Amino acid sequence: DIQMTQSPPSLSASLGDKVTITCQASQNINKYIAWYQQKPGKAPRLLIRYTSTLESGTPSRFSGSGSGRDYSFSISNVESEDIASYYCLQYDNLWTFGGGTKLELK
Amino acid sequence: EVQLVESGGGLVQPGRSLKLSCAASGFTFSNYYMAWVRQAPKKGLEWVATISTSGSRTYYPDSVKGRFTISRDNAKSSLYLQMNSLKSEDTATYYCARHSGYYGSPFAYWGQGTLVTVSS
Repeated sequence: DIQMTQSPPSLSASLGDKVTITCQASQNINKYIAWYQQKPGKAPRLLIRYTSTLESGTPSRFSGSGSGRDYSFSISNVESEDIASYYCLQYDNLWTFGGGTKLELK
Repeated sequence: EVQLVESGGGLVQPGRSLKLSCAASGFTFSNYYMAWVRQAPKKGLEWVATISTSGSRTYYPDSVKGRFTISRDNAKSSLYLQMNSLKSEDTATYYCARHSGYYGSPFAYWGQGTLVTVSS
């Protein structure tokens, strides 16, 4: 089974900051990684698929990159509506989520 | 508009069974792989089960394999999760999710979830 190690578990940012979250897979996942946003009491929302492809409606301040085992997700110019938890998902071999990152305002 | 509405959650004793349902609308249900994903209180997301378009192929993580069974009725645009031998660690909100395509695709749409509490 593929394991996904996501870091950091929590992140504190000011409005306008750039933040980056990383996920490392236990093996090569061939860029089959997606990123989700989840706000309290709500279902997750798919933001990015296949490492860097933005879903319709995802603001351009969100981005993703990586290859092999190592991937990152960034938010440039953090806005108040971005305060949420974020999860990576590998879908190269079955499906495995990372542990999540809680983004808070500093 | 894609809509997924779960039902069937509730309080159940350890060792007992429960069946969840998901009513889908707004898309051609039979064209998509479907899944269940759960989230324990204050915890992260965990994939629970996936089923192919026809229902002939199913996939589970080791944590539920042999206890949970995913099924679908394409005529009714409905997805199900039969959960047997429930344990306290199965307590979670269970989300019905639609894959973006076939095997090897992420979960593109989600329902609002149904809470399952396993406790005596």
